[in-house]
Amino acid sequence: KNEVEQSPQNLTAQEGEFITINCSYSVGISALHWLQQHPGGGIVSLFMLSSGKKKHGRLIATINIQEKHSSLHITASHPRDSAVYICAVQKGAQKLVFGQGTRLTINP
Amino acid sequence: DAGVIQSPRHEVTEMGQEVTLRCKPISGHDYLFWYRQTMMRGLELLIYFNNNVPIDDSGMPEDRFSAKMPNASFSTLKIQPSEPRDSAVYFCASSLMGQTEAFFGQGTRLTVV
Repeated sequence: KNEVEQSPQNLTAQEGEFITINCSYSVGISALHWLQQHPGGGIVSLFMLSSGKKKHGRLIATINIQEKHSSLHITASHPRDSAVYICAVQKGAQKLVFGQGTRLTINP
Repeated sequence: DAGVIQSPRHEVTEMGQEVTLRCKPISGHDYLFWYRQTMMRGLELLIYFNNNVPIDDSGMPEDRFSAKMPNASFSTLKIQPSEPRDSAVYFCASSLMGQTEAFFGQGTRLTVV
């Protein structure tokens, strides 16, 4: 069983919908990261969090340490949000273990 | 800063050949990571360095893979001999201790035929 599980694997929605991507993990962590990978392949770090909630524009990330669960929300989704979203947990000082990613497609 | 710079962006090579991937981290960053991404396994950490010293190479698949960081501004990942199953996108990333957010390069897409 993977240490990091994401759901759903694929998600298609209409522009404007509220999007939720989930991440569950089974190991002790020092932090959790959400990454975005665009069709061109580049990877961008969206959030790094160890407790509570963080917000950046239309993106919100939450984490529940006790339940070993995190969610990434996108409000008022837009076609440019179409990408693969990857959850990664940080074990120890710097080592990241990645989920398989969620492919999000937002149709106009 | 130009960000993490990887070269080449694409590499096609024949099985058995030596392949060298290069990475220039963001100036001042003290951690450097090499990752591999495949459809089957997703992103995996191969090795990471702190202050040019390899800290954890447990993700390096086998002895055909080696990585070096001769100075703070340059790292290489070498595969010798290459095999078709090494075909993947290889990412380099760097970070600054205390911030821990990693900055990724654009990746090198390796195809071994």
